[in-house]
Amino acid sequence: AQKITQTQPGMFVQEKEAVTLDCTYDTSDPSYGLFWYKQPSSGEMIFLIYQGSYDQQNATEGRYSLNFQKARKSANLVISASQLGDSAMYFCAISSAGNNRKLIWGLGTSLAVNP
Amino acid sequence: ETGVTQTPRHLVMGMTNKKSLKCEQHLGHNAMYWYKQSAKKPLELMFVYSLEERVENNSVPSRFSPECPNSSHLFLHLHTLQPEDSALYLCASSQVGSSGSTDTQYFGPGTRLTVL
Repeated sequence: AQKITQTQPGMFVQEKEAVTLDCTYDTSDPSYGLFWYKQPSSGEMIFLIYQGSYDQQNATEGRYSLNFQKARKSANLVISASQLGDSAMYFCAISSAGNNRKLIWGLGTSLAVNP
Repeated sequence: ETGVTQTPRHLVMGMTNKKSLKCEQHLGHNAMYWYKQSAKKPLELMFVYSLEERVENNSVPSRFSPECPNSSHLFLHLHTLQPEDSALYLCASSQVGSSGSTDTQYFGPGTRLTVL
């Protein structure tokens, strides 16, 4: 069975600094996808970035990058130049090629950006 | 309207009431999802509709009844709910691709449900 572990319930970062949010996963599938979503207090789950298990390069989307270490089964999210609007819950999720509509989610990390 | 919309945003209901949650996606996607988000628990997938056919039903109690009349609309009909059903209900949509591809799911803002 697939599993996502986010070990940091809460994180603080100073505005304009970089922060890394941890995500480790467990899967027996050879092909899978990893997602990061942001959930502000308004409730909407916002897609940030995706990494496929066979992608050779780490995914990047603007200020977001994914530090993908396949052998360690980790997919950490790096947010550069933090902004006050980055304060939110961040969720890591994994899907399998066998059922790419079913995402398995972590419990999330709460990020607070301090001015 | 753009993206995925959900109404109502907040709902308070008694255990004997019947209510419905509505979701509409404006992204041209062909799959829609209902999720339940409770405190201290991972997001739980409830139902998946792909091409208007229910393809996933994760052991959800029968007091939750989904309906997908077309690829843009999804409903969740609620009746005789329990207080433990109080949660944030999120709707999502995606474009189901070819076998082996991964679809990115796009979410609505959710309905905050409180059952008294």
